[in-house]
Amino acid sequence: ILNVEQSPQSLHVQEGDSTNFTCSFPSSNFYALHWYRWETAKSPEALFVMTLNGDEKKKGRISATLNTKEGYSYLYIKGSQPEDSATYLCAFSSGTYKYIFGTGTRLKVLA
Amino acid sequence: DVKVTQSSRYLVKRTGEKVFLECVQDMDHENMFWYRQDPGLGLRLIYFSYDVKMKEKGDIPEGYSVSREKKERFSLILESASTNQTSMYLCASSPMMTGGGYTFGSGTRLTVV
Repeated sequence: ILNVEQSPQSLHVQEGDSTNFTCSFPSSNFYALHWYRWETAKSPEALFVMTLNGDEKKKGRISATLNTKEGYSYLYIKGSQPEDSATYLCAFSSGTYKYIFGTGTRLKVLA
Repeated sequence: DVKVTQSSRYLVKRTGEKVFLECVQDMDHENMFWYRQDPGLGLRLIYFSYDVKMKEKGDIPEGYSVSREKKERFSLILESASTNQTSMYLCASSPMMTGGGYTFGSGTRLTVV
């Protein structure tokens, strides 16, 4: 059974703090790893699609890294702001229609 | 702006009712998906469709059916709603079968009483 795990489940940080979370996924049959941000009452929004081992992607203050050999990806947020408060989801693809989603990391940034 | 639109944000239905959740996308995507999200669990795939009138079961299809009569519309049907189907339902679409990433709707929170 393929399993995708995210940690921590939730965290609270102060405005201005930097933070990071982890997505662990099967290291075999890797095709792609997706990160989404899901704000309350909104649609999950695509952040990154990562396909190559060693990939690093950046979007403003948010960046992500990928290690397919050991099966993990990190998402970093530099200088967290209240508007970063959301649930961050990762999804693993082995090349089929079926993405396996993690349970998400719920981030709350306190002003 | 590309959109996946779900017809209702909140829905309350009675046990035993037949429930329709509608999803429409305007991106000409071939693939459409229905997921449910429950506390402590990842998004779980109920059904997906890769073409008009084509459908495949996901991980948890029991108690659900789907309909895709037109490319842009994918409906999830709860034949006889039960309380364990109380959940957040998310519709998504993608332009290709693999690796393309999803565009999601904003979800329908269904409560069955």
